[in-house]
Formats: sequence, C-alpha cells, structure tokens
Amino acid sequence: SQTIHQWPATLVQPVGSPLSLECTVEGTSNPNLYWYRQAAGRGLQLLFYSVGIGQISSEVPQNLSASRPQDRQFILSSKKLLLSDSGFYLCACSDVNSFTGELFFGEGSRLTVL
Amino acid sequence: KQEVTQIPAALSVPEGENLVLNCSFTDSAIYNLQWFRQDPGKGLTSLLLIQSSQREQTSGRLNASLDKSSGRSTLYIAASQPGDSATYLCAVYLTTDSWGKFQFGAGTQVVVTP
Repeated sequence: SQTIHQWPATLVQPVGSPLSLECTVEGTSNPNLYWYRQAAGRGLQLLFYSVGIGQISSEVPQNLSASRPQDRQFILSSKKLLLSDSGFYLCACSDVNSFTGELFFGEGSRLTVL
Repeated sequence: KQEVTQIPAALSVPEGENLVLNCSFTDSAIYNLQWFRQDPGKGLTSLLLIQSSQREQTSGRLNASLDKSSGRSTLYIAASQPGDSATYLCAVYLTTDSWGKFQFGAGTQVVVTP
C-alpha cells in the first residue's frame, strides 16, 4: 500500500514569510494527489488536487499555490503567509490504478503563523 | 451539491459498550464510502472502504454498512476500548467528477472511558 511522507511536521512562521510544504508518495505510480487543510475544530478543506505532473487544480482562491514537479511529489507553497493560513495541512493520494478510489493520508504538517 | 453529515458530533461511552457512528449523504451517486480514524495531531488512518455495490465491510471489531438508497452509512465498533478514543470521519467518493473528489463529514469525536 501507499506510504505518504510529509515535512516538515511542525512549522512556525512569521506573517509575510514564504512557505514550502513537501509531500512524497511511495508504493504507487501516477497517483491522484491532494492537499487538504484542517483548521482547529473544523472539517477538512480541499485546497488543491493533481491528476498528473504539472496538472494542478485549485478548489479555493487564496494566497497558496501547489506544484507537482515529479509524479510522486506534491509541494504546497506561499510567497507571503497570512495569519489565516495557520492550520494542519494534510497530503493525500488515491491510487487510480486500483480502481477502488481508496484515499490515503500522510501524517500532516502543522503550520502556525505568528 | 453533495453534503455529508455525521451525528453525533461527540460521543462518550464506558469501556466494553458497542459504538454506533452515523454518516449520511445527500446524493446517492457515490463511487464508494470510506471511514477514517484521526488521533489528535495526526493524519487520517483508513479503517474501512465500502464500494457502492457493497452493503458492508468488516475488519476485526469494526463493521461498516452502506445503504445508498437512504444515503446512510453506519460504523459499528464492538466492545469498545480506551484505545478507540479518537475522531472518526466518513468520506464519500463522488462519481460526478472524473478526477475523483472526496466529500468529508465533520467527524464524530469518541471518548471511551475505562
């Protein structure tokens, strides 16, 4: 089964600073990749999804961006962080080859913007 | 628009009691339904996946049922243990989007007291 690695696990950044969260996937090829944000006490919000290298779709307008430079690498970035960007960021993948549509998650990256 | 609701939002039971968690969805055109467990500060762990053609799935003390016609799924956890304390989320995988979109419920927070 798939294994998803996320780093850093914890990050504290000042307002206006840049951001880069990285996600890599093992155990599958050509997965669908997702970035979710989970704010304190709230549900999961889909931010970006990707069906292939260089193919990114955004669900929510914001100051964040995503890139997929390699098949199993997904990066979440920001040029200038806002206080509202604080939250728990989760990378996920689904294996299109298995036809089950099962979704797997990484351990998450907790971002605090001060 | 597909909406996924989980009731109750929180649940506390004594050890040994059976847990019953509910998930309802508004659009029956789903590809599958997945149950997850989330421990505090951690990512989501997949528990059970039910394909739209299936009625139930079982894994150890866990059993999940799916009734597409009524838009409901139930997760049963037999003989609960303190280690079952966590937040449980359900998600439906929609067939209306070719790239595979998941819609999550807000979760049920479970506490099992010794």
